[in-house]
Amino acid sequence: QTVVTQEPSLTVSPGGTVTLTCASSTGAVTSGYYPNWFQQKPGQAPRALIYSTSNKHSWTPARFSGSLLGGKAALTLSGVQPEDEAEYYCLLYYGGAHVFGTGTKVTVL
Amino acid sequence: QVQLVQSGAEVKKPGASVKVSCKASGYTFTSYGISWVRQAPGQGLEWMGWISAYNGNTNYAQKLQGRVTMTTDTSTSTAYMELRSLRSDDTAVYYCARVVVVPAAILDWGQGTLVTVSS
Repeated sequence: QTVVTQEPSLTVSPGGTVTLTCASSTGAVTSGYYPNWFQQKPGQAPRALIYSTSNKHSWTPARFSGSLLGGKAALTLSGVQPEDEAEYYCLLYYGGAHVFGTGTKVTVL
Repeated sequence: QVQLVQSGAEVKKPGASVKVSCKASGYTFTSYGISWVRQAPGQGLEWMGWISAYNGNTNYAQKLQGRVTMTTDTSTSTAYMELRSLRSDDTAVYYCARVVVVPAAILDWGQGTLVTVSS
C-alpha cells in the first residue's frame, strides 16, 4: 500500500517562510506524479492551491508556491499571514489512482 | 461560478447502503471528471475514486473496490457515489470535487455530506 508522508506539524511566525514536503513510499516524487496541494480550515471543505507541481489556480495567493525538492514535492509559504493557519494536504497521482498525504498542520505564532 | 451542491446528511445502519449526490453548475459538466474524497472525524483526506463525466470511465481506490459505484447523469449534471455494506469506519464527510484528467488536478469542491453509520 502506497503511503504519502508529510510533516505532522510546523510552526511559523507571521511574515516568515515555511516549506512543507510530500514524500512517496515508492521513491522520488517527480513531475509525473502531478503533485497537488490543498488547504483545509476547520469545518470547511478543502481548497485547491497548486496543481502539476507548481501551477497556481486563479484564486491562489502569490505567497504560495510549489516545487520539487530533494525527491519530494514541496509547498512554500512566503510572507505567512495569520489566515494561513490551516491543515495542508498534498495529493499524488499513481497512474489512474490518487493518494493524499498525511497532512501538515501549520500554526502561525 | 462553478458550484457543486451535495445532498444532505445521512444516518445508516451497518450493512446498509448510501447514495450521495453532487449537482454541478457553472461549467460544461461533460468536459471534466468528478472525484470523491472522504474524511473520517479528526482524520485526513482519503481519495475514493473518480469518474469521467464524458464517457463514464471510472477508477476506484483499491480498498473500496466492490463496495463503491460512481455514476453520472449528464441530463441533470449530477454525479452519484453509492457505498454498500456500510461499516462504522465508513462514518465520514464525503466530498465531491471537479477534476481535470490531464494534467491531474482537483479544482473545486462540494460542501461535503456527513454519513454516519451507527446501529
